[in-house]
Amino acid sequence: GESVGLHLPTLSVQEGDNSIINCAYSNSASDYFIWYKQESGKGPQFIIDIRSNMDKRQGQRVTVLLNKTVKHLSLQIAATQPGDSAVYFCAETPLYNQGGKLIFGQGTELSVKP
Amino acid sequence: GAVVSQHPSRVICKSGTSVKIECRSLDFQATTMFWYRQFPKQSLMLMATSNEGSKATYEQGVEKDKFLINHASLTLSTLTVTSAHPEDSSFYICSARVSRGPRNTQYFGPGTRLTVL
Repeated sequence: GESVGLHLPTLSVQEGDNSIINCAYSNSASDYFIWYKQESGKGPQFIIDIRSNMDKRQGQRVTVLLNKTVKHLSLQIAATQPGDSAVYFCAETPLYNQGGKLIFGQGTELSVKP
Repeated sequence: GAVVSQHPSRVICKSGTSVKIECRSLDFQATTMFWYRQFPKQSLMLMATSNEGSKATYEQGVEKDKFLINHASLTLSTLTVTSAHPEDSSFYICSARVSRGPRNTQYFGPGTRLTVL
């Protein structure tokens, strides 16, 4: 179902450290997953995606890990910078679903301390 | 990457008036656009799916007569909040699904902050 409104969990890290943001997804039929970054007052920004036939995908300073057995997704940010401070959402969807709905997780607020 | 714009970025209106928000895909065609609503410190809640040339599909609990959606072209969808009330104050965000290829990737607009007095 759709994400329910809850207070956001927060993660506070020191600048330069690595960050790991976790997400549990709900639908076993989902086979495409996306991480979005949302800065205050702005729309979500695409970060990285992964299909269910993969368990790891790397981008620039970011890595997404997918564990289908336990329906868990994580986003790793290397050498976290102050500009990484934002709310991060995972989203799931069937890959070839022409309806195209995304189901969003509740989000995690990342705060980077200088 | 694909760019989606929204206009206006913020709007303040009096209770009882109607407000129109535009969502445009700037460098790609989008047969499907989505409208979300977001309250502070909460996740995005899908309101409706907007399909070019056909009626929008609304999520359960969303009043279609209050939130009018028109998707007149492959690059433009509009959301009109009719007879707005203070409880409609929120952050409204649209997204556009890239039509080409199989990937179900959505690109989001910058959002519209609606304040109803």
